[in-house]
Amino acid sequence: AQSVTQLDSHVSVSEGTPVLLRCNYSSSYSPSLFWYVQHPNKGLQLLLKYTSAATLVKGINGFEAEFKKSETSFHLTKPSAHMSDAAEYFCVVSDLRGGGNKLTFGTGTQLKVEL
Amino acid sequence: GAGVSQSPRYKVTKRGQDVTLRCDPISSHATLYWYQQALGQGPEFLTYFNYEAQPDKSGLPSDRFSAERPEGSISTLTIQRTEQRDSAMYRCASSLLAGVGEETQYFGPGTRLLVL
Repeated sequence: AQSVTQLDSHVSVSEGTPVLLRCNYSSSYSPSLFWYVQHPNKGLQLLLKYTSAATLVKGINGFEAEFKKSETSFHLTKPSAHMSDAAEYFCVVSDLRGGGNKLTFGTGTQLKVEL
Repeated sequence: GAGVSQSPRYKVTKRGQDVTLRCDPISSHATLYWYQQALGQGPEFLTYFNYEAQPDKSGLPSDRFSAERPEGSISTLTIQRTEQRDSAMYRCASSLLAGVGEETQYFGPGTRLLVL
């Protein structure tokens, strides 16, 4: 079965400093991986996705993630945090069993950005 | 429509009542998914539709939960005889195609259900 593990439930950074949100995956085949962001009282928004075309994936708002098969990791990074980045972030893997594209979410990482 | 919409946004009901949640997907999208998100957790898959067909119901927690999409567009999720453990955010998502791992799912704002 496909699964993801988000290693930190809470991350706190200062504005202007780098962000690192960690995610490890488990998959029996080459996975499709995603990062979604959830702002308070809003829907889930796709940040970026890995589709095997390139291991370094660039997303919206300056975020990027690198797929490392040897480490089974898909960590999310951003060089410089902004106050508006404060939100909950989910690492997600797709599961194609059953014919659909069921998404399996991690438990989420709450990012806090301080002045 | 421009995005996925869900209604109602909030629903408070008493234990034992039936509730029906509605999802209106992006108009060109063939596939529609329902997820349940408990407080402090990530969303969990409930079921999905490919047009009006419902190939996978494996995530529905009990036979009190049912979903339909009779004309391949709008979908409803019905919970009969609600219980307090059904309190959660219910999220709907749609995508253009099914069975493609990299396909993006677009999520609606969710319906927050509280069972008293």
